[in-house]
Amino acid sequence: AQSVSQHNHHVILSEAASLELGCNYSYGGTVNLFWYVQYPGQHLQLLLKYFSGDPLVKGIKGFEAEFIKSKFSFNLRKPSVQWSDTAEYFCAVNARGTYKYIFGTGTRLKVLA
Amino acid sequence: GAGVSQSPRYKVTKRGQDVALRCDPISGHVSLYWYRQALGQGPEFLTYFNYEAQQDKSGLPNDRFSAERPEGSISTLTIQRTEQRDSAMYRCASSPSDRGKANEKLFFGSGTQLSVL
Repeated sequence: AQSVSQHNHHVILSEAASLELGCNYSYGGTVNLFWYVQYPGQHLQLLLKYFSGDPLVKGIKGFEAEFIKSKFSFNLRKPSVQWSDTAEYFCAVNARGTYKYIFGTGTRLKVLA
Repeated sequence: GAGVSQSPRYKVTKRGQDVALRCDPISGHVSLYWYRQALGQGPEFLTYFNYEAQQDKSGLPNDRFSAERPEGSISTLTIQRTEQRDSAMYRCASSPSDRGKANEKLFFGSGTQLSVL
């Protein structure tokens, strides 16, 4: 069965600090990978996704993620966070050709101004 | 509508009552999902519809939970004889893709926060 692990449950950073949120998945086949974000009071929305090709993908608002197949990882990064990045971040995996998306437990990021 | 619409936004009910949660997906979206999110957890898969067909209900916790999407558009998640442990955020998501072409992102609604007293 597929599973997704997010190691950091709560992260507190100061503005301009660099961010890296870990995500590991468990599945032996080909996967699609996603990061979703939920800003306070808003619904879940897509931050970025990986299907194939360049393992370094860039999303909105300066976020990027790198797929490392050998490590089953898809870590989210941002070189310099802003106060407006305060949100909850969810990693998700979808086995290629299936409909089911499995989510991690989420990481709450708080950026101090 | 412009996005996925869920109603009610908040629902407070007494233990033992039945509740119905509604999801109106983006027009034309084929796939519809229900997820449940407990406090401090990620969204947990409940059920999946492809048009009006319920393709997978493996995530429904027990037979008190049911869902339908009779005309392939609006969906209702019903919880009978609610219990306190049912308290959670219930999220609906839709996708334009048909099953097996799931390279698309999910579009989520704002969710229904259910509290069972």
